[in-house]
Amino acid sequence: DSGVTQTPKHLITATGQRVTLRCSPRSGDLSVYWYQQSLDQGLQFLIQYYNGEERAKGNILERFSAQQFPDLHSELNLSSLELGDSALYFCASSIHTSGGAADTQYFGPGTRLTVL
Amino acid sequence: QKEVEQDPGPLSVPEGAIVSLNCTYSNSAFQYFMWYRQYSRKGPELLMYTYSSGNKEDGRFTAQVDKSSKYISLFIRDSQPSDSATYLCATALNTGFQKLVFGTGTRLLVSP
Repeated sequence: DSGVTQTPKHLITATGQRVTLRCSPRSGDLSVYWYQQSLDQGLQFLIQYYNGEERAKGNILERFSAQQFPDLHSELNLSSLELGDSALYFCASSIHTSGGAADTQYFGPGTRLTVL
Repeated sequence: QKEVEQDPGPLSVPEGAIVSLNCTYSNSAFQYFMWYRQYSRKGPELLMYTYSSGNKEDGRFTAQVDKSSKYISLFIRDSQPSDSATYLCATALNTGFQKLVFGTGTRLLVSP
């Protein structure tokens, strides 16, 4: 168990809808990262927050947004959902902000999103 | 072309075999190289990381980086059924925010 929790585990929704994925980082970790994992694209970095502030953006669509709250939990909001948004969404956390190998990221169990 | 290429497998081996997992990458600026293991229905977990070229050993696992050929390898000795998982290689730059760039993963099956 990595200490990172994600809810819900599974989410089934329809095209055009909006969903919110939630992540609680490990105790003491200030950085939260969101990733999308699909079969054809693999694991892709979406966005990072550090202590409430956005620090880095990856391949995140404009329909997606995230925030990190004062208690350090984070939410990823996905709107105007399309079939292609079906994927596993992982949250990871780390102590620092560099995000690299020296700042180990601990991954949660993921949320499986299915858009019908 | 993807920045990190990895054969998806599956790679099936008998218990006790030596396993070789490989990735290639395109950006010569990458300096950090990592291997993650992902069990079914779980998040990835960091196995090992190396900086620049060379070898690093941890128990039955050896990570090897050849920057001249942009080739990353993970060797597993005396493979066990519990090693059955998907192995993801990842790279990162050495400056600024070190975004992790992942390969798509190789599925390994170790049969008893």
